[in-house]
Amino acid sequence: GAVVSQHPSRVICKSGTSVKIECRSLDFQATTMFWYRQFPKQSLMLMATSNEGSKATYEQGVEKDKFLINHASLTLSTLTVTSAHPEDSSFYICSATANTEAFFGQGTRLTVV
Amino acid sequence: GDSVTQMEGPVTLSEEAFLTINCTYTATGYPSLFWYVQYPGEGLQLLLKATKADDKGSNKGFEATYRKETTSFHLEKGSVQVSDSAVYFCALTPSSSASKIIFGSGTRLSIRP
Repeated sequence: GAVVSQHPSRVICKSGTSVKIECRSLDFQATTMFWYRQFPKQSLMLMATSNEGSKATYEQGVEKDKFLINHASLTLSTLTVTSAHPEDSSFYICSATANTEAFFGQGTRLTVV
Repeated sequence: GDSVTQMEGPVTLSEEAFLTINCTYTATGYPSLFWYVQYPGEGLQLLLKATKADDKGSNKGFEATYRKETTSFHLEKGSVQVSDSAVYFCALTPSSSASKIIFGSGTRLSIRP
């Protein structure tokens, strides 16, 4: 199947700094990618839909100025958590669709201290 | 809104035991139903799916049947192996939006040798 690579897998940052997470489709082009967030013992929640060459579409309640999404090419979407705070600590996962099937990255564990 | 509820884990079984992980859903219309699996250190992978009522999805010895009358999609395997240890997510895509995935909270499964 298609491969989606996410980097980094773990990151620890200080409160107030920004963190960038990359999501790449390695063997296919993805005009649309999705970003999810998972709190402990809870569901993966869709944060936003990343559209190549245009603005991302954010789900209700997600701050677009805090979670900046850039989809500059058909194989790369980035999520930047700006001015991170401890409550942003979570597990972030990206996905892309190929041939109607969703493929997921390995996820990024973000810890803000 | 649409939602998925699955049994809480962790679930611990001995090798060769029978496995059931319960999943029920709430959705309008006719959603597609999925089971995803996440092995340690890896991204989510599609395990099986069913797109209409009474369909049975199967893969790697796992099965799940789309039951519209009980709004359920329980995952079963007759004889589990240590290599089945992972986190299992039940999910759906609404009939109105095939690209949006709604996940359950996940069930961690551990198999003892």
